[in-house]
Amino acid sequence: SAVISQKPSRDICQRGTSLTIQCQVDSQVTMMFWYRQQPGQSLTLIATANQGSEATYESGFVIDKFPISRPNLTFSTLTVSNMSPEDSSIYLCSSRTGNYGYTFGSGTRLTVV
Amino acid sequence: GENVEQHPSTLSVQEGDSAVIKCTYSDSASNYFPWYKQELGKGPQLIIDIRSNVGEKKDQRIAVTLNKTAKHFSLHITETQPEDSAVYFCAASGFGNEKLTFGTGTRLTIIP
Repeated sequence: SAVISQKPSRDICQRGTSLTIQCQVDSQVTMMFWYRQQPGQSLTLIATANQGSEATYESGFVIDKFPISRPNLTFSTLTVSNMSPEDSSIYLCSSRTGNYGYTFGSGTRLTVV
Repeated sequence: GENVEQHPSTLSVQEGDSAVIKCTYSDSASNYFPWYKQELGKGPQLIIDIRSNVGEKKDQRIAVTLNKTAKHFSLHITETQPEDSAVYFCAASGFGNEKLTFGTGTRLTIIP
């Protein structure tokens, strides 16, 4: 399965600022996914990112708040914009290899103060 | 869309005993059901998965069973060890629906 590197691993940010999270996969993958995991909660899909096309956002998530880039088949970024304390969460990148098999990065732990 | 329910939310088991976590799903088109283990400070790790054309799959101490008619699947861990303590998530996805929908998670504690 693919190995995913995600950075930063954690950050503390001021409200109103933006943070860009990077996700690097060690092999070419068609689909990459961004999830949010609020403290003590399950994983909620933010958006699906395919190379060469705009990301597809889930209900409740909008591009202005969570812009995503997917410049090639091994890399993606998620930006959390105009942050508020409610954005404090773990953000996870995931990719799918083959027909199945979703692999996750170790996550970015974001605290907004 | 798909909805996945998971029970119990917490589970404490004596070391050496078995643990069972159950999930139900709503979309009959779902055909892929993975289980993830998440340790503190880490991302979810795939521990076992099953596809809809299989009723049971086993990997050493871990097994998953699937009942497509009832739309539920279960994780079985035998001979539990302290290192099995973690949060476990079930999930579902299917052809034409590439995204994983996760259950709410089960915090498993193994009591030495």
